[in-house]
Amino acid sequence: QVQLVQSGAEVKKPGSSVKVSCRTSGDTFSSFAISWVRQAPGQGLDWMGGIIPIFNTTHYAQKFQGRVTITADESSSTAYMELNTLRSDDTGVYFCARATTVTKPTGYFEYYMDLWGSGTTVTVSS
Amino acid sequence: DIQMTQSPSSLSASIGDRVTITCQASQDISYYLNWYQQKPGKAPRLLIYDASNLRTGVPSRFSGSGSGTDFTFTISSLQPEDIGTYYCQQFQNLITFGPGTKVDIK
Repeated sequence: QVQLVQSGAEVKKPGSSVKVSCRTSGDTFSSFAISWVRQAPGQGLDWMGGIIPIFNTTHYAQKFQGRVTITADESSSTAYMELNTLRSDDTGVYFCARATTVTKPTGYFEYYMDLWGSGTTVTVSS
Repeated sequence: DIQMTQSPSSLSASIGDRVTITCQASQDISYYLNWYQQKPGKAPRLLIYDASNLRTGVPSRFSGSGSGTDFTFTISSLQPEDIGTYYCQQFQNLITFGPGTKVDIK
């Protein structure tokens, strides 16, 4: 059964960076996108961005553009999300999710997310 | 950016009640809308894609409709296991989630 296995909880200082990993199967990497979604405590879902590994294409939400980098290592079928210049309001649970892609005139994009990791808690505190 | 709104933000209903949630997009998104359920402490779960298509394995009491800017999500007969928060998500321009609707039992 395909799963998305995320790295463990992190505690970081303000101003530092965090890198969260999401390991899946080779089939997922060759056929799907991997999206990252943040959920602050008691809040809703916030899409950060995604990567389509077979095209090495990334998309980022404007809110996180310039501060987040999403990468993929096909040899280990692992996606990574790195968030820089951490602030206290970056505290939350970070989910990775497998996303089916849709073709649009300008390329391939994320569509729906049908398989999710269990989440990685990131706490930013001095 | 496309903004999504949902109403109500929360609701309480009795077992067996029909529950309706609305989602509105800030611009025309055609049918590019999905619905998710999230239970406390868990990852979200996809229920509906393309506004009205029920994901395989999801109970038929869940349904979705709409196109353009206005969408509706319905639970035809609320069950105890349906408590949670429901989110709409557009994919017309990247991805945006609605703010969520919390559903609990009266």
